[in-house]
Amino acid sequence: NAGVTQTPKFQVLKTGQSMTLQCAQDMNHNSMYWYRQDPGMGLRLIYYSASEGTTDKGEVPNGYNVSRLNKREFSLRLESAAPSQTSVYFCASSEQGSYNEQFFGPGTRLTVL
Amino acid sequence: DQQVKQNSPSLSVQEGRISILNCDYTNSMFDYFLWYKKYPAEGPTFLISISSIKDKNEDGRFTVFLNKSAKHLSLHIVPSQPGDSAVYFCAATTSGTYKYIFGTGTRLKVLA
Repeated sequence: NAGVTQTPKFQVLKTGQSMTLQCAQDMNHNSMYWYRQDPGMGLRLIYYSASEGTTDKGEVPNGYNVSRLNKREFSLRLESAAPSQTSVYFCASSEQGSYNEQFFGPGTRLTVL
Repeated sequence: DQQVKQNSPSLSVQEGRISILNCDYTNSMFDYFLWYKKYPAEGPTFLISISSIKDKNEDGRFTVFLNKSAKHLSLHIVPSQPGDSAVYFCAATTSGTYKYIFGTGTRLKVLA
């Protein structure tokens, strides 16, 4: 039971390059989330998927797209990376509905030069 | 506009003493609050939560207190242990929104 897994762990991009961050969970959770963590900013929600087939914007969606591929997988795409997207990205999942704790992956550290 | 604030970036406490971490919020629509612990190079892990219909929730050494009128919550760790050294985030949400707003975190260091 791996929980929430994220790939890659580290990535360096040049400005303008694109990439997709992968996330998968094996807990049969309906809801999945993407956050970014920046120094002094806490975790900020980028996009979330309340259930398979739905996605919605969070606090900071600009510059990102997401795909809920199936119940297990939720990917985050940067179409044209910018230095402002240098951050640590966390994927999380939870049972559907309110008042449920989130389970986080180990994170992807992304640097955009 | 920071809806959830943790005004103390860091806190040092002696082993065996009480650690008190504070969190303030501005949105009166929040009705559920959570605390997460994060070690370096790992994702946050859930610690404890509280619903707005309660003012206290305990789980072993961890107790969360909620003061709705002051829009303030606190996490008490008693007794503190060196393994508690981590960054602690509080988070808040409103029923049905799926949006969890996190504070900026407090780095706790428990000194042996």
